[in-house]
Amino acid sequence: KAGVTQTPRYLIKTRGQQVTLSCSPISGHRSVSWYQQTPGQGLQFLFEYFSETQRNKGNFPGRFSGRQFSNSRSEMNVSTLELGDSALYLCASSLGLVTGKDGELFFGEGSRLTVL
Amino acid sequence: LAKTTQPISMDSYEGQEVNITCSHNNIATNDYITWYQQFPSQGPRFIIQGYKTKVTNEVASLFIPADRKSSTLSLPRVSLSDTAVYYCLVGDMTGGGADGLTFGKGTHLIIQP
Repeated sequence: KAGVTQTPRYLIKTRGQQVTLSCSPISGHRSVSWYQQTPGQGLQFLFEYFSETQRNKGNFPGRFSGRQFSNSRSEMNVSTLELGDSALYLCASSLGLVTGKDGELFFGEGSRLTVL
Repeated sequence: LAKTTQPISMDSYEGQEVNITCSHNNIATNDYITWYQQFPSQGPRFIIQGYKTKVTNEVASLFIPADRKSSTLSLPRVSLSDTAVYYCLVGDMTGGGADGLTFGKGTHLIIQP
């Protein structure tokens, strides 16, 4: 059974640009959640999508957005990039809602974004 | 949101039992506690989850006191391969949470021979 796949694995952008990251969940998983990981702040929850609807959202500005498609694949977008957006962005999938009984998270290897 | 606090790092030796404690003073009634393990260049991996008292699986035990303001992950007889960062996650697991999830900043556990 294939795991969670994230693309691209590495990317470099400049300030002001926008970026789109992609996540393919484990087959049969309906929830996809996104996380930002930095050395200073650790692992921070961005948002969760379930059945194409955003169900939970962390404390991030509106520049961070996402969506989920009917096949459960998800994308997140960061607009007007800032230096502080440099981070490892992790995607996780779960059978059910992250906040439900089937919420065990299966993480991908992440997309490492560097903003210059 | 329940804020979590963990030690930044811990050291131990092979064969020892390691206990990592996470403080979550503002844990809500519906919150569960979950622990994840992360190796370099990999995403975190689920270890164990609990709500109260004690939970045990094949790799770890989780102790949660009655007031639920803290939890302790116990790793029996650690080996070098247990060197990793361990995250405590507190979140509403009833399906109705709208505030998102809170991860601790992680505990870097280093196991020496």
